Amino acid sequence: DTGVSQDPRHKITKRGQNVTFRCDPISEHNRLYWYRQTLGQGPEFLTYFQNEAQLEKSRLLSDRFSAERPKGSFSTLEIQRTEQGDSAMYLCASVAVSYNEQFFGPGTRLTVL
Amino acid sequence: TQLLEQSPQFLSIQEGENLTVYCNSSSVFSSLQWYRQEPGEGPVLLVTVVTGGEVKKLKRLTFQFGDARKDSSLHITAAQPGDTGLYLCAGKINAGNMLTFGGGTRLMVKP
Repeated sequence: DTGVSQDPRHKITKRGQNVTFRCDPISEHNRLYWYRQTLGQGPEFLTYFQNEAQLEKSRLLSDRFSAERPKGSFSTLEIQRTEQGDSAMYLCASVAVSYNEQFFGPGTRLTVL
Repeated sequence: TQLLEQSPQFLSIQEGENLTVYCNSSSVFSSLQWYRQEPGEGPVLLVTVVTGGEVKKLKRLTFQFGDARKDSSLHITAAQPGDTGLYLCAGKINAGNMLTFGGGTRLMVKP
């Protein structure tokens, strides 16, 4: 399968714990996006990378959130001191700039108890 | 208030019926995309429309981009139970290319 992959698919954690999610984009896609989707809503933009550079961050991305893409390939999204309001589906998408279309991974469903 | 408003939010119809989903905004988009999402999965791209007035067909699905590039519609002919899912429209405004999504239309097609 050469699509976008995300790991883990599901994560249950207790409030106050730190969690980290991984996204592996489609090979050679130089842009990578993170979105958050709460139940019954459309996805909301969090941040995006072009290669290893983080170019834009949403105001939704509080200082408890950090994202990295160290070698311009896979990316990680870390949430520190999780809160119940962080419970959501975290989606990753990648795009080859020349094609301008985003392809989404299956998402990581986070539940904070 | 969402930048992209989708209507209706929920739609339950019988197999064989036709339906239209609307996506409206006061903003102009450089392109607009339609996705379908199954429970527990990521959105899957159906189509991208770029030119004002553009119409694209994908089997029983017809997508239209408004002349002013502020709105779009998705029409499904002779809906089937396999069409059941969450339909999302998403637009791009700026060079950052991040997508702004509508709230989605949840479609259920009963056999």
